[in-house]
Amino acid sequence: DAGVIQSPRHEVTEMGQEVTLRCKPISGHNSLFWYRQTMMRGLELLIYFNNNVPIDDSGMPEDRFSAKMPNASFSTLKIQPSEPRDSAVYFCASSPKQGMVEKLFFGSGTQLSVL
Amino acid sequence: KQEVTQIPAALSVPEGENLVLNCSFTDSAIYNLQWFRQDPGKGLTSLLLIQSSQREQTSGRLNASLDKSSGRSTLYIAASQPGDSATYLCAVDGGSQGNLIFGKGTKLSVKP
Repeated sequence: DAGVIQSPRHEVTEMGQEVTLRCKPISGHNSLFWYRQTMMRGLELLIYFNNNVPIDDSGMPEDRFSAKMPNASFSTLKIQPSEPRDSAVYFCASSPKQGMVEKLFFGSGTQLSVL
Repeated sequence: KQEVTQIPAALSVPEGENLVLNCSFTDSAIYNLQWFRQDPGKGLTSLLLIQSSQREQTSGRLNASLDKSSGRSTLYIAASQPGDSATYLCAVDGGSQGNLIFGKGTKLSVKP
């Protein structure tokens, strides 16, 4: 398996633009997690899905952020409109069992810069 | 609210040295604690997982200990190598499924 695949690897956009980050989890994994990493706050959980259903989105900063998982092999994290403070590395991770954080496999992340 | 702190933020050592990375957490009611490694431009890779009932775990040159009552964990790296250079993060699982609480990491540099 190729592991968790995220795209794009880097995204540079201007304030106010819509940004869509993509994630393909490992085949057969039931849980998918979106994390954000910044120097100030470290790594924070934004939202996670079990069997394509959002379970906990309490980490989503505000209504400008939305996440979907239309099927077991694809998820998106959308920011609309984007702001400079959204600049961070966004990681997607998947797990073979519902909510199982003991076996998390991370993608390489998307480096987002909002100018 | 659980908080995880890692000290120091950065550490530089010569090759061959044994070293200890520290992690502390404020709420001792945890299910487990994990140590991760992060290489530049890469995601995180889990190194060791210690269940709350365990005191330590070993994998090769790595040994992680856990003292729940004092809210501390250490990662011991023996005979360090330049390939060990990376950022090491610890994370605690408080049982709220899916929500690992991460420290900000210790950036380790091992000089040849």
